[in-house]
Amino acid sequence: GQNIDQPTEMTATEGAIVQINCTYQTSGFNGLFWYQQHAGEAPTFLSYNVLDGLEEKGRFSSFLSRSKGYSYLLLKELQMKDSASYLCAGGGFQKLVFGTGTRLLVSP
Amino acid sequence: GAGVSQSPRYKVAKRGQDVALRCDPISGHVSLFWYQQALGQGPEFLTYFQNEAQLDKSGLPSDRFFAERPEGSVSTLKIQRTQQEDSAVYLCASSLDETGGGGGELFFGEGSRLTVL
Repeated sequence: GQNIDQPTEMTATEGAIVQINCTYQTSGFNGLFWYQQHAGEAPTFLSYNVLDGLEEKGRFSSFLSRSKGYSYLLLKELQMKDSASYLCAGGGFQKLVFGTGTRLLVSP
Repeated sequence: GAGVSQSPRYKVAKRGQDVALRCDPISGHVSLFWYQQALGQGPEFLTYFQNEAQLDKSGLPSDRFFAERPEGSVSTLKIQRTQQEDSAVYLCASSLDETGGGGGELFFGEGSRLTVL
């Protein structure tokens, strides 16, 4: 089966760093994605990890540990526009399974 | 077009009506997915096409749901005899990668928000 868990909501202040965790149990795992979704909008791709380790892309970084079934998304120098839901997704070919999303609220 | 286009953006239906939701994927994208997203939840997989072939429909909640992609480009999701629990945002996504998201980024449309009264 496939199960992805992430916190429902997090809050942080502008300029801070926040880490959003995701744990998963998947069969046929083939990589882990992070998507950002602003309210009422389409999810947009942030990152994809298939190997263990940290992938850095500007203010956003994503980490994967396959042996632990664990990933996190790290957001640095938070901006107000980063207020959104962050979706962790993984699985095998042809069927990506999403977590429920973590709603991040960034305050001034 | 530049992105995945879905129509209508908003649809209000009376219980028992049939609805059809259209998805126009990015030109040349092999894989096409439909997801259902309830309020405050993540997207849930409905069905997957590789070109015109529907390879996985295991997520369709009942036989009232039907999807097609006859020419391997535009897809339609049809819901017959709509019920209140069908109210959700229906997201379409496409991917260039024929592995269907196993290694390829999904590009999502903005979704069709269905409200069943």
